[in-house]
Amino acid sequence: LAKTTQPISMDSYEGQEVNITCSHNNIATNDYITWYQQFPSQGPRFIIQGYKTKVTNEVASLFIPADRKSSTLSLPRVSLSDTAVYYCLVGLLSNDYKLSFGAGTTVTVRA
Amino acid sequence: ETGVTQSPTHLIKTRGQQVTLRCSSQSGHNTVSWYQQALGQGPQFIFQYYREEENGRGNFPPRFSGLQFPNYSSELNVNALELDDSALYLCASSGRPGAGGPRETQYFGPGTRLLVL
Repeated sequence: LAKTTQPISMDSYEGQEVNITCSHNNIATNDYITWYQQFPSQGPRFIIQGYKTKVTNEVASLFIPADRKSSTLSLPRVSLSDTAVYYCLVGLLSNDYKLSFGAGTTVTVRA
Repeated sequence: ETGVTQSPTHLIKTRGQQVTLRCSSQSGHNTVSWYQQALGQGPQFIFQYYREEENGRGNFPPRFSGLQFPNYSSELNVNALELDDSALYLCASSGRPGAGGPRETQYFGPGTRLLVL
């Protein structure tokens, strides 16, 4: 199981782009990278998932370099409602429903 | 709203007691996973149920047990409660495990906040 390392917290302002980098030096060939968002007193919510290069959806972008030892979640033009904890998970797609989450990155967006 | 519901929302118990938490999965999902989230930490995988059978377990003692019913709803039972069991308990429903494809099909409920005194 690839261990992940993320910053504990990040501060930003409304309208800015927020980039959260996750390190996963021991990622295995078949591992996928998945990001979740969690608001207080709610369960985590899937944001984005990728294997290599770049993935974009209506919420975020995920950048994965060629060596896949890290990944960066990019949140464009954040708003106050993006204040949350963001988790990076790495594991086998077929087995990753059983993954435990790390401590995550607390992102605080200020007006 | 994910369609996953949990009950009760909050619960207070004392050490040594037993507790049962309930989860109704999203329509069409036959897999339920349970997680424990202590304050300030990420969710930790307890176990998963697929078609009424346990399908994987995390690093939790046997006093944490579960059930899945024919309608795919699930229960988490914890015996001999300890103070450290105080946490938010989350369940997540998903499609068939190992089906491949994007992971976004795991949907979490709002959780049950358990306080053990």
